[in-house]
Amino acid sequence: DIQMTQSPASLSASLGETVTIECLASEDIYSNLAWYQQKPGKSPQLLIYYANSLNDGVPSRFSGSGSGTQYSLKINSLQSEDVSIYFCQQNYDSPWTFGGGTKLELK
Amino acid sequence: EVQLQQSGPEVGRPGSSVKISCKASGYTFTDYVMNWVKQSPGQGLEWIGWIDPEYGSTDYAEKFKKKATLTADTSSNTAYIQLSSLTSEDTATYFCARWVPGRSFDYWGQGVMVTVSS
Repeated sequence: DIQMTQSPASLSASLGETVTIECLASEDIYSNLAWYQQKPGKSPQLLIYYANSLNDGVPSRFSGSGSGTQYSLKINSLQSEDVSIYFCQQNYDSPWTFGGGTKLELK
Repeated sequence: EVQLQQSGPEVGRPGSSVKISCKASGYTFTDYVMNWVKQSPGQGLEWIGWIDPEYGSTDYAEKFKKKATLTADTSSNTAYIQLSSLTSEDTATYFCARWVPGRSFDYWGQGVMVTVSS
């Protein structure tokens, strides 16, 4: 199985700040990576697919990048509504696997 | 509008089974594979498996092959997951999620909390 390692596990940032979350795959996943946002008590919502494609309706302050085994999610100009847990997920090879999550809080 | 409406919370006794549903609307049910994902309390996400509603074909993560059974009813546009031989490890929220090749899970149900308790 492909292991997905996310960092950091938690992150505290101020409004307006830029934050970056990293995701490392145990092998090359050829950009088959998605990012999800999950707010408390809600289901995950797709933010980014294929490493850098913004899902419909997602604010442009979210962006994804990376290739091979290393990927990142960047949030520009942090807003209060961005407080959530963020997960990466590879969909290159079954079983699909998720990173452990990054909890983003406001400082 | 695509919607995945899941059934309500379940409580199951250890050793019993529960079956939860996911009713799809707003798209052609047989055009997309449906996946199921487990989230244990305060934990991350685990992929359980998928079902192709058109053909009834399935695939499971190794860990869930003896635990979960996925089915689909095309007459009601509903996918189901049955969890058997319940233990405390099965206490979790279970999500259905539509799969789009290249996009991964683009729509999710609201989740069903399953509690295993005697």
